Amino acid sequence: AQSVSQHNHHVILSEAASLELGCNYSYGGTVNLFWYVQYPGQHLQLLLKYFSGDPLVKGIKGFEAEFIKSKFSFNLRKPSVQWSDTAEYFCAVSLNRDDKIIFGKGTRLHILP
Amino acid sequence: NAGVTQTPKFRVLKTGQSMTLLCAQDMNHEYMYWYRQDPGMGLRLIHYSVGEGTTAKGEVPDGYNVSRLKKQNFLLGLESAAPSQTSVYFCASTRPKIYNEQFFGPGTRLTVL
Repeated sequence: AQSVSQHNHHVILSEAASLELGCNYSYGGTVNLFWYVQYPGQHLQLLLKYFSGDPLVKGIKGFEAEFIKSKFSFNLRKPSVQWSDTAEYFCAVSLNRDDKIIFGKGTRLHILP
Repeated sequence: NAGVTQTPKFRVLKTGQSMTLLCAQDMNHEYMYWYRQDPGMGLRLIHYSVGEGTTAKGEVPDGYNVSRLKKQNFLLGLESAAPSQTSVYFCASTRPKIYNEQFFGPGTRLTVL
């Protein structure tokens, strides 16, 4: 069955540190990949998505992600985090032939001021 | 546009009681979804709908029923609530083609005593 793994459950960083959150999926076909963010007390919002083309995807708020097909990975990066990036981040995958998205279990990011 | 709205925002039930959660969207989206979010479990799909009058089971459908009588509304029902259904419930909608962004509602926090 299709699944999504996020390696880090909880990450704590200081402001200005670089961020990389891991995401791996287990499906060999054509996939669409997403990163969503959930700020405290809020609903999920899309950060970025990949479905074709350039494997390096840029999203909102300075985030980017790289799709590496050979590694089944879609890691999220940000060169310099801010306190306002404190949130929970979810990786998600869908198949082209499917109508639903599978979410990872999330990574809680805490930025120290 | 209001986007995706959910009612109620909070609810406390006793074991065995029933209730219906309402999701409404004004974006003319075909696809609608119900998820539950539990700590450390990410978002798990309960049921979804790809059009008016159609519904399908997701990952954790047991104990829930849904209806999509109108395109803009997607109802989630609990016939006999159990403490295991204590969770935050999110509704989402999207246009057809699964690589499109899912738009989420603000969530309903349900506690079953």
